[in-house]
Amino acid sequence: KAGVTQTPRYLIKTRGQQVTLSCSPISGHRSVSWYQQTPGQGLQFLFEYFSETQRNKGNFPGRFSGRQFSNSRSEMNVSTLELGDSALYLCASSLFPMGNSRREQYFGPGTRLTVT
Amino acid sequence: TQLLEQSPQFLSIQEGENLTVYCNSSSVFSSLQWYRQEPGEGPVLLVTVVTGGEVKKLKRLTFQFGDARKDSSLHITAAQTGDTGLYLCAGALNAGNMLTFGGGTRLMVKP
Repeated sequence: KAGVTQTPRYLIKTRGQQVTLSCSPISGHRSVSWYQQTPGQGLQFLFEYFSETQRNKGNFPGRFSGRQFSNSRSEMNVSTLELGDSALYLCASSLFPMGNSRREQYFGPGTRLTVT
Repeated sequence: TQLLEQSPQFLSIQEGENLTVYCNSSSVFSSLQWYRQEPGEGPVLLVTVVTGGEVKKLKRLTFQFGDARKDSSLHITAAQTGDTGLYLCAGALNAGNMLTFGGGTRLMVKP
């Protein structure tokens, strides 16, 4: 079974631009969560989608948004990029949504975003 | 201040040594997970603990969830160079909540 895939793996953007990152979950998984990982703040939860609906959201500004398609693939978008948005963006898929005691997450390799 | 505090932040040991990594909080968690992350990769789930006092073993790794479900530890026996990586604990405050991650412990096992 193929794992979680994320594209692109590396991205360089300039301040003010916007970016879209893509995540394909493990086949059959309907929950996709997004995380931001930085050396200073560690791993922080962005949002979770299940069956095309955003179910949970972390404490990030509205510049960070996402969506999920009917095939469970998910995208996240960051508009008006800032230098502080430079990070590793991780996507995790799960068979079950947050709140289910059997939930286990499987992470993708991440997209390394550099904002200059 | 992070909700989950991991210690130590960095650990460098020789192959064959034992080590323990701690994950502490003042909050009670409904469940707690441990992950290992290698450079250029996403975190990989090692274990989930849900019951206070629970102990789980995964080969040379022993995981313990505190009786009050506020803390956890990861003990590695006879460390190997392949154990090198970033170890992360993550807890859910209640069943419906998102995971909160600790700051991580970066382990280096030297041959």
